[in-house]
Amino acid sequence: AQSVSQHNHHVILSEAASLELGCNYSYGGTVNLFWYVQYPGQHLQLLLKYFSGDPLVKGIKGFEAEFIKSKFSFNLRKPSVQWSDTAEYFCAACRISGNTPLVFGKGTRLSVIA
Amino acid sequence: ETGVTQTPRHLVMGMTNKKSLKCEQHLGHNAMYWYKQSAKKPLELMFVYNFKEQTENNSVPSRFSPECPNSSHLFLHLHTLQPEDSALYLCASSSLAGEGDTQYFGPGTRLTVL
Repeated sequence: AQSVSQHNHHVILSEAASLELGCNYSYGGTVNLFWYVQYPGQHLQLLLKYFSGDPLVKGIKGFEAEFIKSKFSFNLRKPSVQWSDTAEYFCAACRISGNTPLVFGKGTRLSVIA
Repeated sequence: ETGVTQTPRHLVMGMTNKKSLKCEQHLGHNAMYWYKQSAKKPLELMFVYNFKEQTENNSVPSRFSPECPNSSHLFLHLHTLQPEDSALYLCASSSLAGEGDTQYFGPGTRLTVL
């Protein structure tokens, strides 16, 4: 079965620390990859996505993610986190055809402390 | 604000009640989705509608009954729910279903079943 794994359930960082959240997906073929963020009390919003082209994708608020096909990975990074980055982060993947659904990981809670 | 609205935002109901959740999208999309978000679990896809036709029912119990009268509106009718059905119910929309398009989420309805 298709699955998306996020290795860290809860990450705690100090402001200005660098962030990397891991994401791996289990299935082959051509996939679209997404990172969504859910700030406390707010709705899920798209942070960035990879459909094709440059495997290094830049998103909003200084986030970026790198698609490494050989590792089935799509890790999220930010060089210097801020307190306002405290949120839950979800990785998701979907095959681009075959009427397959978008599959989400369990999410990683990021807490940034001053 | 993503262009996807959900009402009500919070709902408390007893196991014998009947209630409905409403979702509306203002993005001109043709696909709409219901997800269930429970603590410490990945988002669970419940139903998918593409051009008002249901294309996915992810083994959801019959006490959840979706309705999609047009491409802009989606309902989830609830009856004789169980306490374990308490969760955040999210609606999403995308241009098309099954093509890996970006999904846009509403704020969710926080449901508590007593």
